[in-house]
Amino acid sequence: RKEVEQDPGPFNVPEGATVAFNCTYSNSASQSFFWYRQDCRKEPKLLMSVYSSGNEDGRFTAQLNRASQYISLLIRDSKLSDSATYLCVVNKGYSTLTFGKGTMLLVSP
Amino acid sequence: ETGVTQSPTHLIKTRGQQVTLRCSSQSGHNTVSWYQQALGQGPQFIFQYYREEENGRGNFPPRFSGLQFPNYSSELNVNALELDDSALYLCASSLAGEFNSPLHFGNGTRLTVT
Repeated sequence: RKEVEQDPGPFNVPEGATVAFNCTYSNSASQSFFWYRQDCRKEPKLLMSVYSSGNEDGRFTAQLNRASQYISLLIRDSKLSDSATYLCVVNKGYSTLTFGKGTMLLVSP
Repeated sequence: ETGVTQSPTHLIKTRGQQVTLRCSSQSGHNTVSWYQQALGQGPQFIFQYYREEENGRGNFPPRFSGLQFPNYSSELNVNALELDDSALYLCASSLAGEFNSPLHFGNGTRLTVT
């Protein structure tokens, strides 16, 4: 089993749609969790951290369920500019990040 | 505040050659981590350097080696290049003790091995 598994993509959605990405992780000792966004041929950039209580940043909502070892990202009112690959990331400690394979999102007009 | 910078941006090498990639850490950061991202995959942890010593390593062979300098900048060296080493190499810096903080990456070096 891979350490971090994400929904296979790509997700093709129209502008304005709501889209959800799911992620599971295998190491119960994982300490912190993030979603990164990666544009084509660019470096990954932090989108948001994920907290146990759930957190929201504008149109983006992240959830963490430690018992199920499950992380999610919800994007509301999708924009063309949201088109990118979304990477689920787990920190096992000491700034060592484990990345999922990523899920590509394509938002069309 | 200067972020993480990497050089070169792109590099083409032949199988069997050796390559050195460079990373300057963000001001105030004393730890450097290197990641390899093959096409269609997420980044994979190669190793981390702290106080000029390797401080954790992923599942990479010994021909992947590194250095950290007193100014916290770092090099990644890859010997005996193989075609599968073609990837985007990412560097990130952090501050020791901030174990659960996210990482901010440089813009990467894209290595092509032919």
